[in-house]
Amino acid sequence: GAVVSQHPSRVICKSGTSVKIECRSLDFQATTMFWYRQFPKQSLMLMATSNEGSKATYEQGVEKDKFLINHASLTLSTLTVTSAHPEDSSFYICSARDVRDAYGYTFGSGTRLTVV
Amino acid sequence: EDQVTQSPEALRLQEGESSSLNCSYTVSGLRGLFWYRQDPGKGPEFLFTLYSAGEEKEKERLKATLTKKESFLHITAPKPEDSATYLCAVQAGGATNKLIFGTGTLLAVQP
Repeated sequence: GAVVSQHPSRVICKSGTSVKIECRSLDFQATTMFWYRQFPKQSLMLMATSNEGSKATYEQGVEKDKFLINHASLTLSTLTVTSAHPEDSSFYICSARDVRDAYGYTFGSGTRLTVV
Repeated sequence: EDQVTQSPEALRLQEGESSSLNCSYTVSGLRGLFWYRQDPGKGPEFLFTLYSAGEEKEKERLKATLTKKESFLHITAPKPEDSATYLCAVQAGGATNKLIFGTGTLLAVQP
């Protein structure tokens, strides 16, 4: 089946530093990837849609300069949390659409970000 | 406005006690309804995609059904390993490919 690899699974960083999270589709090409944020015991909140070779589309209320998204190839998208603050601590999840459609939208295993 | 509502928020079952989870939706032109399972600290795991009213899909103890207004996830004779949060999401019509998620149902199956 379709597999999406997300790294790192956990990261702790100091306030004011930047953190990069990678999302890779391992066995398929994904022209579109999605980045979500999930708070404890809540559902997934879409942050942005990442399109290969073009600028990402951000959801209302999500700061573009805060959450930098790059989708440089058909198998890799990155999310960089810039100048992180404790309120950015959360569970970040990426997903990619398998164009074969057999598996719907495949999700990565998530990244637990803690800003201290 | 496109919206997805799941009920109940939490459900506790005894092993072997069958039940159903509900996902109600209002979208402009449904392109697909998805069910996912999420374990704590993990990303959602794909279960089913349903595309049109009347469609049904099964996988082991799970069966998903779809009408024009809602979807049900039926769990037959659940086991403790079925304990997880079950998420429903819809893909609305239009140019976007994004999914709209419900808040999920936390299922606990006790032995």
